[in-house]
Amino acid sequence: DIQMTQSPSSLSASVGDRVTIACQASQDIRNYVNWLQQKPGKAPKLLISDTSNLKTGVPSRFSGSGSATQFTLTISSLQPEDIATYYCQQYTSFPYTFGQGTKLEIK
Amino acid sequence: EVLLVESGGALVQPGGSLRLSCAASGFIFSSYEMNWVRQAPGKGLEWVSYIRGSGDVKFYADSVKGRFTISRDNAKNSLFLQMKSLSVEDTAVYYCARDARLDYWGRGTLVTVS
Repeated sequence: DIQMTQSPSSLSASVGDRVTIACQASQDIRNYVNWLQQKPGKAPKLLISDTSNLKTGVPSRFSGSGSATQFTLTISSLQPEDIATYYCQQYTSFPYTFGQGTKLEIK
Repeated sequence: EVLLVESGGALVQPGGSLRLSCAASGFIFSSYEMNWVRQAPGKGLEWVSYIRGSGDVKFYADSVKGRFTISRDNAKNSLFLQMKSLSVEDTAVYYCARDARLDYWGRGTLVTVS
């Protein structure tokens, strides 16, 4: 199985900060990475697919990059509504696997 | 508007069975792969099962293989998860999610095994 390792597991930042979350895959997964956002008590929502494709309606302050085994989610200017847990997920092969999540809080 | 609505979650005893449903609307259901993903209380996301649009290809997580069966009824725009031999470790909110990109999710249905 492909392991997805996210870092950090938690993060505290101020409104307006640039925030970066990393995800490392245990093998080359090409660009088949999703980034999902989950707010407390809510279902996850897709932010970015195929490493860098922003889903329609997602604010442009979110972006994704990377290749092979190293991937990054960036929030260019943190907003209060971005408080959530973020997950990376690979879908290059079964079983699909998720990172353990990064809990983002406001400082 | 794409809408996914799960149902069927309940409190069940260990060793019991349960069938979850996911009603889909707002898109051509038969054209899309579908998945079940679960989340145990206070834990992260765990992919459970996948089914191709035609229903002829299915995959399962090792943790549920042999106990859970995914199926779909394209005429009724519905996805199912038949669960048997349930254990306390299966306690979770179960979500259905569309496509390999998991681009749309339902609100989930809670399964409690106790």
